[in-house]
Amino acid sequence: GAVVSQHPSWVICKSGTSVKIECRSLDFQATTMFWYRQFPKQSLMLMATSNEGSKATYEQGVEKDKFLINHASLTLSTLTVTSAHPEDSSFYICSASSSGRHEQYFGPGTRLTVT
Amino acid sequence: GENVEQHPSTLSVQEGDSAVIKCTYSDSASNYFPWYKQELGKRPQLIIDIRSNVGEKKDQRIAVTLNKTAKHFSLHITETQPEDSAVYFCAAPRDIMIKAAGNKLTFGGGTRVLVKP
Repeated sequence: GAVVSQHPSWVICKSGTSVKIECRSLDFQATTMFWYRQFPKQSLMLMATSNEGSKATYEQGVEKDKFLINHASLTLSTLTVTSAHPEDSSFYICSASSSGRHEQYFGPGTRLTVT
Repeated sequence: GENVEQHPSTLSVQEGDSAVIKCTYSDSASNYFPWYKQELGKRPQLIIDIRSNVGEKKDQRIAVTLNKTAKHFSLHITETQPEDSAVYFCAAPRDIMIKAAGNKLTFGGGTRVLVKP
């Protein structure tokens, strides 16, 4: 149980384009999904928290107009990196949690490279 | 907010020896402490967690201890094997008093464990 998928696993895009990353909970209802960014050899940095049916809350310093998050259902959240630049290149990982539970289960991550 | 510090940042052990990683946290209201294992290029996987109403929890070769007074918790891996080589992250809840926070976690900086055969 507690399986989270993420798609795509890797993507290369040109500067100025937008990229959408999907995060799905496959066998449980994810009332909350979290989006993290991880730089090489570093820890997980929380970008935003999304609750199903409501607006995402962003961490300080994260541009909400650049990183659009939608959590339209209990099994799907999407992160869209708009007008991507090379400095947006990173490993993006989502996690999912169900109501009343502390455990977060992570997706496999998406490696984004912006050229 | 919660501040989590993790030590050491790297740990090299001989196969069969034990490995211990320690984390300290700042928010005395924190009540849940997970440990994640992340292999290179892969997702963090929850390997064990402990809640604040117990002092120790074991699962085969891994155990976690919690000292609420001192606000620290530790991961213990016994009889280490090469497949234990990975980066390990501890975490603690943040914004715990804010209902809308949705069980956010603050992660430690990670410990790169290398088990030498």
